Amino acid sequence: ETGVTQTPRHLVMGMTNKKSLKCEQHLGHNAMYWYKQSAKKPLELMFVYNFKEQTENNSVPSRFSPECPNSSHLFLHLHTLQPEDSALYLCASSYPGNTIYFGEGSWLTVV
Amino acid sequence: AQTVTQSQPEMSVQEAETVTLSCTYDTSESNYYLFWYKQPPSRQMILVIRQEAYKQQNATENRFSVNFQKAAKSFSLKISDSQLGDTAMYFCAFRVGGGGADGLTFGKGTHLIIQP
Repeated sequence: ETGVTQTPRHLVMGMTNKKSLKCEQHLGHNAMYWYKQSAKKPLELMFVYNFKEQTENNSVPSRFSPECPNSSHLFLHLHTLQPEDSALYLCASSYPGNTIYFGEGSWLTVV
Repeated sequence: AQTVTQSQPEMSVQEAETVTLSCTYDTSESNYYLFWYKQPPSRQMILVIRQEAYKQQNATENRFSVNFQKAAKSFSLKISDSQLGDTAMYFCAFRVGGGGADGLTFGKGTHLIIQP
């Protein structure tokens, strides 16, 4: 139990589908993050939210759409993805300026 | 922008041995944090140890300790009495300090294998 819960843990979707990844943190943190981990690449920071406001978008394609309705929940909406988007998507949370804690990840396969 | 470099893609040691994983970083920031995270086959990213840049004393956490050389921008992880459960990917990571919500910058990782 890490305090950061991601669902679903595994997702297979077609290139024309619309799906969402969900992240919930029970740690009382104010900041939440999405990271992408692909094979043979360093972890890539995708989005940062601080007190529900998006503070960072690292040139992520618009087919990835984040949503942060409150400080405890973070979504990643997926639409018309490409096979190269297949990866492990990690959600994380923290107090601003403090240690970042990760969820167990959502494995995404785009077919 | 910050960069983190881990020059050892893979290391293998015998159980009970001591192993040191290397990490160097580059930044113009004066206030920052450094971390080592462990990612076992389950892919859960687990915090191993954290070091505040303003602290001269090296952080320790049971069998894990760091050698933080601020001037050299070096941050190595030493694992003593290594155990089979230490087998994992180890990532060195950097974070700017202060009250912002900056994310972590990660190195490419070192795959550590503990042999029985």
